[in-house]
Amino acid sequence: GAGVSQSPSNKVTEKGKDVELRCDPISGHTALYWYRQRLGQGLEFLIYFQGNSAPDKSGLPSDRFSAERTGESVSTLTIQRTQQEDSAVYLCASSSLWTNTEAFFGQGTRLTVV
Amino acid sequence: AQSVTQLGSHVSVSEGALVLLRCNYSSSVPPYLFWYVQYPNQGLQLLLKYTSAATLVKGINGFEAEFKKSETSFHLTKPSAHMSDAAEYFCAVSDRGNNRLAFGKGNQVVVIP
Repeated sequence: GAGVSQSPSNKVTEKGKDVELRCDPISGHTALYWYRQRLGQGLEFLIYFQGNSAPDKSGLPSDRFSAERTGESVSTLTIQRTQQEDSAVYLCASSSLWTNTEAFFGQGTRLTVV
Repeated sequence: AQSVTQLGSHVSVSEGALVLLRCNYSSSVPPYLFWYVQYPNQGLQLLLKYTSAATLVKGINGFEAEFKKSETSFHLTKPSAHMSDAAEYFCAVSDRGNNRLAFGKGNQVVVIP
């Protein structure tokens, strides 16, 4: 596709339920990031995938959060047993191999836990 | 690991006045540096980037930033603020060694008529 695609764009879920968020990166981009943006706050790094290397999971806030990526394609971010504090916009970005190129962001998934 | 510091989460500027957003980075090697902008209810988009060519970088919408190695800074400026500049601005650094982006906390810019 032309850009980074995220789905769903909005998700309302009940506390305690599991949710899956999807990210389709730009074709050929080896790097993929997940960030969280709480209302009125900055970008919080969650996880980083680079090619076939082991992902950098250092930003995941708890073991309820996990993410997978198949090769250099789609990634899914899973939140188990959602809590109200998980409500945020979840942003995905991808970039090419070269470090001097910028990351391109999707429009995000707005998650609301009620 | 690289890191980015943006001071002052909210910045108010009068229409027509100078916009100055400060960004300082920490990196073990000369980095690549980026400014992103997020307009209300939109995704993040690249404003400009420094990749070791000219130290003064010009971006979209009249913004520019200057890389100063001695000060480890990459401050963003615009000579005259416009109402349409109201947005959130994020500074980011990419370490040449690992291609991972690190973002600052962002500055929410409010333009006062």
